[in-house]
Amino acid sequence: AQKVTQAQTEISVVEKEDVTLDCVYETRDTTYYLFWYKQPPSGELVFLIRRNSFDEQNEISGRYSWNFQKSTSSFNFTITASQVVDSAVYFCALSELTQGGSEKLVFGKGTKLTVNP
Amino acid sequence: EPEVTQTPSHQVTQMGQEVILRCVPISNHLYFYWYRQILGQKVEFLVSFYNNEISEKSEIFDDQFSVERPDGSNFTLKIRSTKLEDSAMYFCASSEERQPQHFGDGTRLSIL
Repeated sequence: AQKVTQAQTEISVVEKEDVTLDCVYETRDTTYYLFWYKQPPSGELVFLIRRNSFDEQNEISGRYSWNFQKSTSSFNFTITASQVVDSAVYFCALSELTQGGSEKLVFGKGTKLTVNP
Repeated sequence: EPEVTQTPSHQVTQMGQEVILRCVPISNHLYFYWYRQILGQKVEFLVSFYNNEISEKSEIFDDQFSVERPDGSNFTLKIRSTKLEDSAMYFCASSEERQPQHFGDGTRLSIL
């Protein structure tokens, strides 16, 4: 079965520090998708990025960047120059194709990031 | 930008009562999902729905749970006889193709 491990339960940094959130996954599928979601204190899930297993290019979006390494089954997320508004729980997720033809997401346990002023 | 809408945002119910959580997916989406997050824990898949039928359900989704798409816009999750352990945040999601899944803001269900 698919599995997502986010070993860092909580991280605390000071504003403007860079921070990397780790994600390691297990899958037997040859084609899959990886995701990061942000859950701020208000509780909603905000989609950040989707990465196809065939595309190992790193991606940068503003202060956010993602490093996908298939060889180590990792999909790490870096926030550069962190801000207080980045404080949230961040979830890494892996798609799993179901027998019924849909896909479900398998989530990690999340990493709670606190950015202090 | 279109979004998934969930109502109510917070539902308080007595144990043993039936509860219906409502979702309006994004209009052109074809795949619908319910997920659950017990406080402080990870998000867990409950059920997926496609072409007017359940395509997959998890072990959590037992006979107490049911889903329905009663019309062209709503997607509901019903819990027939709620238990204390059903207290959680319930997220609805939809997708045009299999993913990416777009999530609603969630319904916080509190069972007393």
